[in-house]
Amino acid sequence: EVQLVQSGAEVKKPGESLRISCKGSAYSFTSYWINWVRLMPGKGLEWMGRIDPSDSYINYSPSFQGHVTISADKSISTAYLQWSSLKSSDTAMYYCARGSIVAVGRDSWGQGTLVTVSS
Amino acid sequence: QTVVTQEPSFSVSPGGTVTLTCDLRSGSVSTSHYPSWYQQTPGQPPRTLIHTTNTRSPGVPERFSGSILGNKAALTITGAQADDDSDYFCALYMGSGIFVFGGGTKLTVL
Repeated sequence: EVQLVQSGAEVKKPGESLRISCKGSAYSFTSYWINWVRLMPGKGLEWMGRIDPSDSYINYSPSFQGHVTISADKSISTAYLQWSSLKSSDTAMYYCARGSIVAVGRDSWGQGTLVTVSS
Repeated sequence: QTVVTQEPSFSVSPGGTVTLTCDLRSGSVSTSHYPSWYQQTPGQPPRTLIHTTNTRSPGVPERFSGSILGNKAALTITGAQADDDSDYFCALYMGSGIFVFGGGTKLTVL
């Protein structure tokens, strides 16, 4: 069964750095894009960006470019989303999704990682 | 900034049919936007229903279908069930590797 398993919930202070992960299993990790999607409390889904794990080619949403960094290590079938300096407004649930070149989520999604940023 | 619009809310009776739409504030939606549809239930990860306009994701019931209606993308639920009560989001591919989600539709089944 195809699975995307995300790292656990995080509680951080403003200004701290953070990297969360998304590990794929039971499929060829380099054959599908990994997308990152944000869900803020009471809000809708927001596409943040994506990575092609085969060559680490990345697209960012203009809304998130410069605020987050997406990366991947294909040797361990894992994609990452990281912040160098968190803000309270980064408090949200973050999901990874297995996509295609023209779809955010083709089928599988991670279970989500809750990030809480509070002083 | 690209704005993708959806009906904020909709209601349908159990067993009824409902069509949710996904529109571009400036322009028409076509198959070249490869519209996809996602169901979001509180506390659960999103579930992909439809991608590439009308391809159902594995395990998605046939009562969910996608299409282009006029100049909008559409998600039709035929024979709505109680557990279809949820939020629905569309996403459009804008080219150059960029996607945009719509604001979502809260569907009530009652």
